Amino acid sequence: DAGITQSPRHKVTETGTPVTLRCHQTENHRYMYWYRQDPGHGLRLIHYSYGVKDTDKGEVSDGYSVSRSKTEDFLLTLESATSSQTSVYFCAIMGANTGELFFGEGSRLTVL
Amino acid sequence: QQQVKQSPQSLIVQKGGISIINCAYENTAFDYFPWYQQFPGKGPALLIAIRPDVSEKKEGRFTISFNKSAKQFSLHIMDSQPGDSATYFCAASTANYGQNFVFGPGTRLSVLP
Repeated sequence: DAGITQSPRHKVTETGTPVTLRCHQTENHRYMYWYRQDPGHGLRLIHYSYGVKDTDKGEVSDGYSVSRSKTEDFLLTLESATSSQTSVYFCAIMGANTGELFFGEGSRLTVL
Repeated sequence: QQQVKQSPQSLIVQKGGISIINCAYENTAFDYFPWYQQFPGKGPALLIAIRPDVSEKKEGRFTISFNKSAKQFSLHIMDSQPGDSATYFCAASTANYGQNFVFGPGTRLSVLP
């Protein structure tokens, strides 16, 4: 257990509404990641963080923003949700010196 | 060049059989090749990983075979069990940084009792 908690685990929202997903870790890891998982696409990186207030874009960052004001929390925001953002979102941390990604249990988002 | 291809998309195997999942990559800079296992409703978890300085790595019933010249690697599950039924993702990465991970599209394995 890498001490990763995602919230909410499930959310249904309407097109055009803002949505924030939260990832909380308890083990002080520097690197944190947000992925989305869609059938046929595997896991695709949205944004990542390499420290407090240090973030960068991933492969599919359009329509998403992130913030990391504390080491333990990494927030993913959809400013105006669209149906194409219906997906399962996973937060992950990189284990120190191991090269292993530890994933949370996911947040399933449905945009109607 | 960043893509990792994975096949088959789905696989059905009888209990006790061998499950084989194949992946191929293009970027020769990749130097870390993990396999992740994901059960329904859960996040992926590292199953086994290999670096290109060896051609094979075995952990229990799970073996990675790596062919550097062909830019291919595969996961073999020996004596497959119903509890192995899950989705398997291969991935490739450079320099041990998560932002460099590229995942395959996944293989859904079903092991019949």
